[in-house]
Amino acid sequence: QITLKESGPTLVKPTQTLTLTCTFSGFSLSTIGVGLAWIRQPPGKALEWLALIYWDDDKRYSPSLKSRLTITKDTSKNQVVLTLTNVDPVDTATYYCAHLTYGGKDFDYWGQGTLVTVSS
Amino acid sequence: DIQMTQSPSSLSASVGDRVTITCRASQSISSYLNWFQQKPGKAPNLLIYAASSLQSGVPSRFSGSGSGTDFTLTISSLQPEDFATYYCQQSHTSPRTFGQGTKLEIK
Repeated sequence: QITLKESGPTLVKPTQTLTLTCTFSGFSLSTIGVGLAWIRQPPGKALEWLALIYWDDDKRYSPSLKSRLTITKDTSKNQVVLTLTNVDPVDTATYYCAHLTYGGKDFDYWGQGTLVTVSS
Repeated sequence: DIQMTQSPSSLSASVGDRVTITCRASQSISSYLNWFQQKPGKAPNLLIYAASSLQSGVPSRFSGSGSGTDFTLTISSLQPEDFATYYCQQSHTSPRTFGQGTKLEIK
């Protein structure tokens, strides 16, 4: 079965770089059509899509955050890494990774999420 | 970006009620519309994909309809476990976008 799990720091200082890792099993990011996305949710607020990466290394980013985001994949480790530079308290959120299929279902499997707090 | 607008933002209903939540896209997204349910402290759960297809394991009281710009999620007979927040999301293009959510509360 498909599982995903996010990992990374729980507390980051303003201006620092946040690095999050999604480790997954039950699928391969080298399989045609498969993708993985990052989505975040500030406390008490709505879901916000951040970025996605496809099997062919095609990458898409949220326009409002594009200059600060980088998404990469390590197919051999079954991991996808998201970096967010120059963090601010408004970046405090639960960060989720989710599986998707190109031209098919978006976000049919999710990780449990990881809460990241940005504070000095 | 395609903007997704849900209504209402919150809704009070009773067990057994029929409930409808609407979602409007700022431009046509064909049938590339998904619905998620989220309970407090949990990740969202896909209910409906491609506007009207029921995700495996989701009870049949959930249904979706619509195409183009206007979509609805209907719960035919509310159960206690259905009280949650619901989000629509377009998968037509990137950036992917979500609605602002509809909180379904017990009356």
